[in-house]
Amino acid sequence: AQKITQTQPGMFVQEKEAVTLDCTYDTSDQSYGLFWYKQPSSGEMIFLIYQGSYDEQNATEGRYSLNFQKARKSANLVISASQLGDSAMYFCAMKNNFNKFYFGSGTKLNVKP
Amino acid sequence: GAVVSQHPSWVICKSGTSVKIECRSLDFQATTMFWYRQFPKQSLMLMATSNEGSKATYEQGVEKDKFLINHASLTLSTLTVTSAHPEDSSFYICSASRQVLSYEQYFGPGTRLTVT
Repeated sequence: AQKITQTQPGMFVQEKEAVTLDCTYDTSDQSYGLFWYKQPSSGEMIFLIYQGSYDEQNATEGRYSLNFQKARKSANLVISASQLGDSAMYFCAMKNNFNKFYFGSGTKLNVKP
Repeated sequence: GAVVSQHPSWVICKSGTSVKIECRSLDFQATTMFWYRQFPKQSLMLMATSNEGSKATYEQGVEKDKFLINHASLTLSTLTVTSAHPEDSSFYICSASRQVLSYEQYFGPGTRLTVT
């Protein structure tokens, strides 16, 4: 069974600083995908970044980077130069071999001016 | 590209009635569509996976007779909540993939259901 764990229900970060959102996962699959999504108060899910289990390099997308440590089964999201608009819920998710997505419990990020 | 819409965006219905939620892929053909529900301040929980032209696969604990899913075409999937009760009030989100084994997943904007 797949399990995604986000241990930080809420985080605060000062504007322009970097922040790391933690995510660990548990799976017996050899091939899987890891994702981070942002959900603002409006409710839509916004794709941020993807990391394949066989990708050797950490994924980066603009101010987002994924710190992938396969042996530790962790996939932390790093947001650099935080902006006020980054305040939202952030979900870590994993896709298994059957194309099913499983989500963590989420981290609410608040960016302080 | 890869836009998914949901209709309605919010709905209020009386207990005991049924409500249908539509999920459409507007500019691509969706081989697979997923339905999630999200309670306030909680995560998305996968309810079911539907492939065009075949029966939906429901996650454990999801009543298939209560949550009817129809994926009649490559651009439309519907979720019908039958005999709705207040505990069915939730945020329902669909997503769509172009290919069966694809990491791409495009989310709809969600439908907020309130059962009174």
